[in-house]
Amino acid sequence: DQQVKQNSPSLSVQEGRISILNCDYTNSMFDYFLWYKKYPAEGPTFLISISSIKDKNEDGRFTVFLNKSAKHLSLHIVPSQPGDSAVYFCAASEGGTYKYIFGTGTRLKVLA
Amino acid sequence: KAGVTQTPRYLIKTRGQQVTLSCSPISGHRSVSWYQQTPGQGLQFLFEYFSETQRNKGNFPGRFSGRQFSNSRSEMNVSTLELGDSALYLCASSLGGDYNEQFFGPGTRLTVL
Repeated sequence: DQQVKQNSPSLSVQEGRISILNCDYTNSMFDYFLWYKKYPAEGPTFLISISSIKDKNEDGRFTVFLNKSAKHLSLHIVPSQPGDSAVYFCAASEGGTYKYIFGTGTRLKVLA
Repeated sequence: KAGVTQTPRYLIKTRGQQVTLSCSPISGHRSVSWYQQTPGQGLQFLFEYFSETQRNKGNFPGRFSGRQFSNSRSEMNVSTLELGDSALYLCASSLGGDYNEQFFGPGTRLTVL
């Protein structure tokens, strides 16, 4: 049972435009969410996180939005740059479990 | 500050053998988690250790085991290897509290022939 889903395996965006990556979850007990970026032959790199008491968190070009009623979060990258081309994973955790559930990833390609 | 290191980076084994992978966390981090990544499956949680105690585990068979030492370094062992165990094994370290981000190592690529 996939508790965290990234339904778009890939996404292509023009340089300078907005990239929107989506993630859905089923477990209402999840209260902490993270986004990671992964380049080939490297481990995932932490990008940004959000706790369930917030609905938005920003860090530079990256903004994460959380819609708890829809059990949906999204990552916005503005403006997109060719160096952002990578696989993006969302992850969720329930407090006290020390266990992170990851989605299957979305491959973002930013076209120059 | 040095990042998470994993050894070896690449490993080739045959079915039936066993393998041990090693992970050294970021200095000061007391939690180490292990994940298996296969194509199309994302990262599957194996287990998490904190101060030498396993606090949670994923849905993997008992052939997968781990341990953590007093210096927070961790090892993962897979016995009686199967072809389906071929994957990238990632370890991540964190401070160990709730709501702490995890920092990943580069992974160990295991191929089972």
